[in-house]
This record gives sequence, C-alpha cells and structure tokens, in this order.
Amino acid sequence: RKEVEQDPGPFNVPEGATVAFNCTYSNSASQSFFWYRQDCRKEPKLLMSVYSSGNEDGRFTAQLNRASQYISLLIRDSKLSDSATYLCVALFNQGGKLIFGQGTELSVKP
Amino acid sequence: GAGVSQSPSNKVTEKGKDVELRCDPISGHTALYWYRQRLGQGLEFLIYFQGNSAPDKSGLPSDRFSAERTGESVSTLTIQRTQQEDSAVYLCASSPFGGDTEAFFGQGTRLTVV
Repeated sequence: RKEVEQDPGPFNVPEGATVAFNCTYSNSASQSFFWYRQDCRKEPKLLMSVYSSGNEDGRFTAQLNRASQYISLLIRDSKLSDSATYLCVALFNQGGKLIFGQGTELSVKP
Repeated sequence: GAGVSQSPSNKVTEKGKDVELRCDPISGHTALYWYRQRLGQGLEFLIYFQGNSAPDKSGLPSDRFSAERTGESVSTLTIQRTQQEDSAVYLCASSPFGGDTEAFFGQGTRLTVV
C-alpha cells in the first residue's frame, strides 16, 4: 500500500463546476498535511496547508479526518487557470520526511 | 536569486557513467529534500537532510545512489553507473525547519540516460 494515495485522474470539468479530490494516508502518526499544485513541466508549489479544524482559502477548502486518515480538497467555481495536477502531501516522522501522493490531474474546460 | 537553485537543468549521459546533481537551497533553510519524478508520475521520495544529517535514506533506490550535504547548505545527489531507468526529473526542495513548514522546490534537473 502506498503511504499517500489519491483519487485517480484525470478530472475533466466545465468552468464554474465544483470538484473534490480525496487522499488517504497510511501513517496514523502523521502530523502535518498539505496540498501542492504542479503545473505541466513545472515544480510543485504549496497551495494550502490542511488543519484539523478544516480551512478555507477563497474558492479552496481543505478538510482533515484523522480517524479515517483522510484528506480532501474542494474547489468551487473552478477556473481555467485551476487546470493542474494537485498533490496531497503528508509529513511522516516528526520533523522529517514529506511524502507526496501520485497527484490528481484537473482539466477545466470552457 | 532567493529561490532553490539546481544544476544542471538538463543532463544527457551515457549508460554506465556517473552523474552528480547539485542543489543550492534557500539560505538558512535547515531541511533539504530530494525527489525523483518520472514522466507522468508522482514525486518519489529519495532522501532528506536536517542540517547535514540524513535521518532517512530509505527512499534511495539502490546503492548506486548517494547524497551528501555540507555546511548546512549545498547538497549533491550522485548516481553511479547510470541506467536507463534512472531517466527522470530530480527535484530538490528546502524548508526552514522541516516538514511542518512550506517546502520550496527548485526547477529540477532533467536527467536522460541514453
């Protein structure tokens, strides 16, 4: 089993749609979680951290369920510019190893 | 520049040769990570450093791979006797204190083994 697993993609949605990505992690001791975004042939960049209480940043909402070892990302009112690969990330071992999921590709169409 | 810098940006090498990839992290960042990304795949963890120490080397694919960091700064990833399956983009990232803070990535080294 992979340490961080994500929904298989690609997701093809029209502009304005709401789309949700899911992610599970295997290590119950993981402390911190993130969503990164990677554009084609570019390096990953932090989209948002994920907090236990859930957090929102504009059109983006991240949720964490520790009991189920599950993380989600919701994108509302999707834009063409949201087209990218979204990477779920978990911190394994205190202060250490950042493990990335394989990514979910999103394509927003006009 | 203030970002993570990797060199070379592209490297083509013959099978069996050794290659050395370099990463200059953001100044003052104590944590440094190496990942491998094959075409169309996710990021595969290789190794990370806290300062000059590598607490976890479990991601290194084989004993042909090694990495070091000196002066809590520059890191090199060395691949000996390269194989075609080593072809990938090698990404380096650094963060101020470790995994609980944002990791900033370099633009990667695209390695092609022919």
